[in-house]
Amino acid sequence: NAGVMQNPRHLVRRRGQEARLRCSPMKGHSHVYWYRQLPEEGLKFMVYLQKENIIDESGMPKERFSAEFPKEGPSILRIQQVVRGDSAAYFCASSLSPANTGELFFGEGSRLTVL
Amino acid sequence: GENVEQHPSTLSVQEGDSAVIKCTYSDSASNYFPWYKQELGKGPQLIIDIRSNVGEKKDQRIAVTLNKTAKHFSLHITETQPEDSAVYFCAALKGNNDMRFGAGTRLTVKP
Repeated sequence: NAGVMQNPRHLVRRRGQEARLRCSPMKGHSHVYWYRQLPEEGLKFMVYLQKENIIDESGMPKERFSAEFPKEGPSILRIQQVVRGDSAAYFCASSLSPANTGELFFGEGSRLTVL
Repeated sequence: GENVEQHPSTLSVQEGDSAVIKCTYSDSASNYFPWYKQELGKGPQLIIDIRSNVGEKKDQRIAVTLNKTAKHFSLHITETQPEDSAVYFCAALKGNNDMRFGAGTRLTVKP
């Protein structure tokens, strides 16, 4: 049973370009969470999705960031017109049930560098 | 919202000694407190967790204690080994998905 798969593991973009980060949850998991981690800092919640629905996006910046979790395929975190401050590691986690009842399993992260 | 403070930010111990990491949280409605271990270049991995109806939980060399009144919880690692070296994060969960993480503790176990 494969774990949470994230790709790409490393992504380099120039300012103004778009970044797309993909997350395939563990088999059978329908709850997906995205977190951002800056160097030497903890994980900051961004968004919580269930299949086809955004449940909580209170941690997402209002502009340039969007997330989806379609019926088929991986969850995608999309950052438009990237700026240097977007450089970070982005982690996806999945669970079988909401976080208060099910363990979160994390992927190995996607490291975005904006030049 | 919930605010989680974690101390110390770095901790260095000799192999075989114990290590203690402490966290405090602000929202008394938080009811689930996991601890994660993150190795270099990897994602966080759950090592132990505790719910608000329990005061202590132990799993081999790892234990977690929770003081709901004082709103703090601690991770205890006994008989530390070099492979315990990593960054450890505490977290507090309120409701279904509002999980807040501490800033992390970099533990170094010297052989």
